Amino acid sequence: KQEVTQIPAALSVPEGENLVLNCSFTDSAIYNLQWFRQDPGKGLTSLLLIQSSQREQTSGRLNASLDKSSGRSTLYIAASQPGDSATYLCAVMEYGNKLVFGAGTILRVKS
Amino acid sequence: GAGVSQSPSNKVTEKGKDVELRCDPISGHTALYWYRQSLGQGLEFLIYFQGNSAPDKSGLPSDRFSAERTGGSVSTLTIQRTQQEDSAVYLCASSLMATGYSNQPQHFGDGTRLSIL
Repeated sequence: KQEVTQIPAALSVPEGENLVLNCSFTDSAIYNLQWFRQDPGKGLTSLLLIQSSQREQTSGRLNASLDKSSGRSTLYIAASQPGDSATYLCAVMEYGNKLVFGAGTILRVKS
Repeated sequence: GAGVSQSPSNKVTEKGKDVELRCDPISGHTALYWYRQSLGQGLEFLIYFQGNSAPDKSGLPSDRFSAERTGGSVSTLTIQRTQQEDSAVYLCASSLMATGYSNQPQHFGDGTRLSIL
């Protein structure tokens, strides 16, 4: 059974810092890996989707990498801002179009 | 354009009652997914619809849970004889095509917060 783990569970940083969120998964047979953001009381917003054949994706200040063979992904956030404060979720897409989620990292960026 | 819409946003009901949760996907999206988010379990897949194909119900936790999608658009998740452990946020998502085959991202609604007294 696929298991997704996210480290750290929570992170508090001052504004302007670069930071890395980590995600690991136990079964490398995935279609893709996705990073989502969730604000309190809201649904999920898709940030980046990395296909299984890709190594990384970039969008603005966000960069996500994927090492499928080792079962790891990182989300890099450059020059963090208070508006980046949210819960960040990593999920892998398995056969059958099922997303398996990690428990998330709660990020707080202090101004 | 309009995103995924879910109703109601909040629902409080007594144990043993039936509830219906509604999801309006983004227009033109053929794939629709239901997830449950609870404190103890995190985000769990419940059911997936793709076009006119038979749905993948493998994530439904018990036979008290059912879902249908009429006309390839609106979906309803029904929970019969609700129990306190059903309390959670139920999230719906849609994608242009099945994400696993097309790498189309899933777009989520804001969810229905269900509380069973």
